[in-house]
Amino acid sequence: GAVVSQHPSRVICKSGTSVKIECRSLDFQATTMFWYRQFPKQSLMLMATSNEGSKATYEQGVEKDKFLINHASLTLSTLTVTSAHPEDSSFYICSASLGGDYGYTFGSGTRLTVV
Amino acid sequence: SQQGEEDPQALSIQEGENATMNCSYKTSINNLQWYRQNSGRGLVHLILIRSNEREKHSGRLRVTLDTSKKSSSLLITASRAADTASYFCATGRNTGTASKLTFGTGTRLQVTL
Repeated sequence: GAVVSQHPSRVICKSGTSVKIECRSLDFQATTMFWYRQFPKQSLMLMATSNEGSKATYEQGVEKDKFLINHASLTLSTLTVTSAHPEDSSFYICSASLGGDYGYTFGSGTRLTVV
Repeated sequence: SQQGEEDPQALSIQEGENATMNCSYKTSINNLQWYRQNSGRGLVHLILIRSNEREKHSGRLRVTLDTSKKSSSLLITASRAADTASYFCATGRNTGTASKLTFGTGTRLQVTL
């Protein structure tokens, strides 16, 4: 089945630094990937749609200059949290879809803690 | 914005019992999907039901969809301790090249021995 690999699973960084999170589709090509953010005991909020070879589409209220998305190949999308602050601490999850009735395959998530 | 509302928010049952979770949504959809999330992990796709379908089964899972009421239910029969997790419904809506998912608030299911 479709597998999405996300790295790192956990990262702790200092305030003001940048963190890059990778999302790879291992056995299929994903022209579109999605990035979500999840706070503790809450639901997933879509941050942006990552499109291979073009600019990402951001949801309302998400700062594109703070959350940089690069989808340079059909199997890799990256999310960079720039100048991270403690309020950026959260669980970030990516996903991609094969289409049809397969639903979406999610990465295992990245727990970001900014100190 | 968050579209789906699920109830109950939390559900505690004993192993062997059935668990029913409900999901309501507000706008038109192409499909509705259910996902499972273990604590601190990614989501696992359980089942997808299209807007023109009313019921679907997969193993111990049974999903219904009522588009007139904009609601869906997920039934897990003969629950097991390993079913303990959070369950989310998500509605799919085509927006050009990709179908965006909007997640419900989730139901935290606890199955005890």
